[in-house]
Amino acid sequence: AQTVTQSQPEMSVQEAETVTLSCTYDTSESDYYLFWYKQPPSRQMILVIRQEAYKQQNATENRFSVNFQKAAKSFSLKISDSQLGDAAMYFCAYRSNNQGGKLIFGQGTELSVKP
Amino acid sequence: KAGVTQTPRYLIKTRGQQVTLSCSPISGHRSVSWYQQTPGQGLQFLFEYFSETQRNKGNFPGRFSGRQFSNSRSEMNVSTLELGDSALYLCASSRTSGGAYEQYFGPGTRLTVT
Repeated sequence: AQTVTQSQPEMSVQEAETVTLSCTYDTSESDYYLFWYKQPPSRQMILVIRQEAYKQQNATENRFSVNFQKAAKSFSLKISDSQLGDAAMYFCAYRSNNQGGKLIFGQGTELSVKP
Repeated sequence: KAGVTQTPRYLIKTRGQQVTLSCSPISGHRSVSWYQQTPGQGLQFLFEYFSETQRNKGNFPGRFSGRQFSNSRSEMNVSTLELGDSALYLCASSRTSGGAYEQYFGPGTRLTVT
């Protein structure tokens, strides 16, 4: 069975600084997708970034980028120029390409941003 | 384009009762997935429906069931409620099941069982 692990329950960053959130996963499959979702206090889950396992190039979305290390089964999220609005719970998630829409989530990392 | 909507947003039920939650996906989306979020267990997959058929099911007891209608709206039902069923229930819709398509989440239904 696939598992996703986020080893940092809480992280803190100064406004305008850079922070990296860690995520590791375990799978025997080769075809899958990885995601980072953000959940602010409103509880609305928002997709931050997505990575297809077959792509070697790391995904980037504006201030958000990932470091995808397939052999190490590592998928970290880097947030550059942190803003107060980035404060939220961040979830790493895995989706197999042969299990439909089923997402397997990590336990989450609570990110706080200090002004 | 309207987002995913869930009704009701908040619900208080008594142990032993049953409850039905509703999820309306984004127009054109045919896949709906359900998740339970609790402080102890985190986010757990309940099931996915695609074109009115259950595509996948998580590890939950038979008290949890769902269905999908021809307009892609989905309902989930929990019978014989237990205190441990108190949670935020999230649904997510996608244009199709799996693949490269993104999933969009609704705001959730907060269920409290007393």
